[in-house]
Amino acid sequence: EDQVTQSPEALRLQEGESSSLNCSYTVSGLRGLFWYRQDPGKGPEFLFTLYSAGEEKEKERLKATLTKKESFLHITAPKPEDSATYLCAVQPPSNTGKLIFGQGTTLQVKP
Amino acid sequence: DVKVTQSSRYLVKRTGEKVFLECVQDMDHENMFWYRQDPGLGLRLIYFSYDVKMKEKGDIPEGYSVSREKKERFSLILESASTNQTSMYLCASSEPGGFSGNTIYFGEGSWLTVV
Repeated sequence: EDQVTQSPEALRLQEGESSSLNCSYTVSGLRGLFWYRQDPGKGPEFLFTLYSAGEEKEKERLKATLTKKESFLHITAPKPEDSATYLCAVQPPSNTGKLIFGQGTTLQVKP
Repeated sequence: DVKVTQSSRYLVKRTGEKVFLECVQDMDHENMFWYRQDPGLGLRLIYFSYDVKMKEKGDIPEGYSVSREKKERFSLILESASTNQTSMYLCASSEPGGFSGNTIYFGEGSWLTVV
């Protein structure tokens, strides 16, 4: 069964304290792995798409990497405004574009 | 910028009422989706549509129906609202899935409370 697991469920960091969020998946023939940011009460905001193992993408303090079994979202020197829930999703091989989501990691960055 | 607009942000409905949630996207996307999001359960797919008048059931379609009469508009219908349908509902859209995955864009969400 296709599955996505994110860890940790919650993460508290001090401002400037770098860390990584993990997303492991069991999907055959991955079409794409997506990272979203979700602020409380709002819809998920697209961050990155990764398509193949070894691929990396960066945006400001965020860097996403992909292996054959997992993805990491590295946060370098986070700021309080990076506090949010980060969602990982995978797209299995089909033409429907459906996504399978993980439960998310809630990040809190304290000043 | 991609824009997915959900017409109602907050709704309070009574048990047994028929509820319509409307969604419009402005990117001429083929695919549209309705998810619900609940604490501890994550995002779960209710229905999706890959073309006008076409629809497929997602993981939790019971108690819901959908309508897609125009490409840009996808409606979620709760035929007879129940308290266990209190949730945040998210509409999304994307291009058709090709060889590589295509990004799904979400609306701001509709908070539905059924009393």
